[in-house]
Amino acid sequence: GNSVTQMEGPVTLSEEAFLTINCTYTATGYPSLFWYVQYPGEGLQLLLKATKADDKGSNKGFEATYRKETTSFHLEKGSVQVSDSAVYFCALRESGGYQKVTFGIGTKLQVIP
Amino acid sequence: GAVVSQHPSRVICKSGTSVKIECRSLDFQATTMFWYRQFPKQSLMLMATSNEGSKATYEQGVEKDKFLINHASLTLSTLTVTSAHPEDSSFYICSAIPRGIAGTDTQYFGPGTRLTVL
Repeated sequence: GNSVTQMEGPVTLSEEAFLTINCTYTATGYPSLFWYVQYPGEGLQLLLKATKADDKGSNKGFEATYRKETTSFHLEKGSVQVSDSAVYFCALRESGGYQKVTFGIGTKLQVIP
Repeated sequence: GAVVSQHPSRVICKSGTSVKIECRSLDFQATTMFWYRQFPKQSLMLMATSNEGSKATYEQGVEKDKFLINHASLTLSTLTVTSAHPEDSSFYICSAIPRGIAGTDTQYFGPGTRLTVL
């Protein structure tokens, strides 16, 4: 079946540091890939997505590139802010008509001033 | 943006009782809602897909009689955990897709409900 593996965290960084959260996946076919973010006390929000190999999703300074050869979708940001503190979930949606989404474990990011 | 609420945010109940969790889309109509469950240090697991006016579709391994889902209107879906036991303690999250929108790219998530069964 499909699966998503991401680092467990927590990840603690100083403000303006570079962020990488690794995500790898296992899936049949050609899934779409997503990063969701959950701020404290709120629901998950879609951060960015990529629907095919070599696509780069980007939003709010975050980027992730769909790498089919390494089955990865690592999340990066060049300079994190305190306001980026949240839990980040990597996810995939299998190709085809069924819309089921498979999530990773979630990685908690703490950015300190 | 679209907002999904859940009520209650936290609930503690005794073993053997039933608990109802509500999921509401506040500013849009949702023909499809999803219910997820999250265990500590584990990912969200899809429990069931709820479509307005029809029976929910449950994922393999999820007991239909244990987790009753009712999507009675375009803005409300409820999950009832019947005869709850300590192993049902978990974080339950719902999401909703706006009516007329295709694809789960635009699913909006509620903040979750923490259930503790004593």
